[in-house]
Amino acid sequence: KNEVEQSPQNLTAQEGEFITINCSYSVGISALHWLQQHPGGGIVSLFMLSSGKKKHGRLIATINIQEKHSSLHITASHPRDSAVYICAVRGGGSNYKLTFGKGTLLTVNP
Amino acid sequence: DTEVTQTPKHLVMGMTNKKSLKCEQHMGHRAMYWYKQKAKKPPELMFVYSYEKLSINESVPSRFSPECPNSSLLNLHLHALQPEDSALYLCASSQVHRGYGYTFGSGTRLTVV
Repeated sequence: KNEVEQSPQNLTAQEGEFITINCSYSVGISALHWLQQHPGGGIVSLFMLSSGKKKHGRLIATINIQEKHSSLHITASHPRDSAVYICAVRGGGSNYKLTFGKGTLLTVNP
Repeated sequence: DTEVTQTPKHLVMGMTNKKSLKCEQHMGHRAMYWYKQKAKKPPELMFVYSYEKLSINESVPSRFSPECPNSSLLNLHLHALQPEDSALYLCASSQVHRGYGYTFGSGTRLTVV
């Protein structure tokens, strides 16, 4: 069982729809990251969370430390949001390593 | 400056060539990372430098040789690579202490022929 599980693996939406991507993890963490990667491209860090909720434009990320669960929401989705969204967690202490989920491929159709 | 800059963006090299990938950041981050990403897979950690010293080597073959000449620069020297080493190589940086976010570069797409 992977330490970081994402769902769904694939998601297709119509433009304007509200999107939710979920991430569950089984290890103690110091921070959780939501990352975006367009096909063939590099990685963009969207959010880093250690508690609560963050919002940036149409993107909202939440984390529940007790339940070891995080969600990424996209409001009013747009075709340019089509990308792979990756959840990654960083361990505690001096553990530098990020453990990645397998990613969610989001396709938003016009 | 809030970016990690990687050069070159694309590289094609033969199995007998020697080449280097370069990564640069000016955010004062003292931890720098090399990741390897194959198609449709999550990134895999290769090396971690902390305060310019190698702190993690994830059992990477010696044909990959990292170097951190100063706190802003990270290089990855490549020699005698195999076709299966073709991948996207990503550099990242962060503060050393936990609770700080990562910044990723846009990567170098490497093809070994």
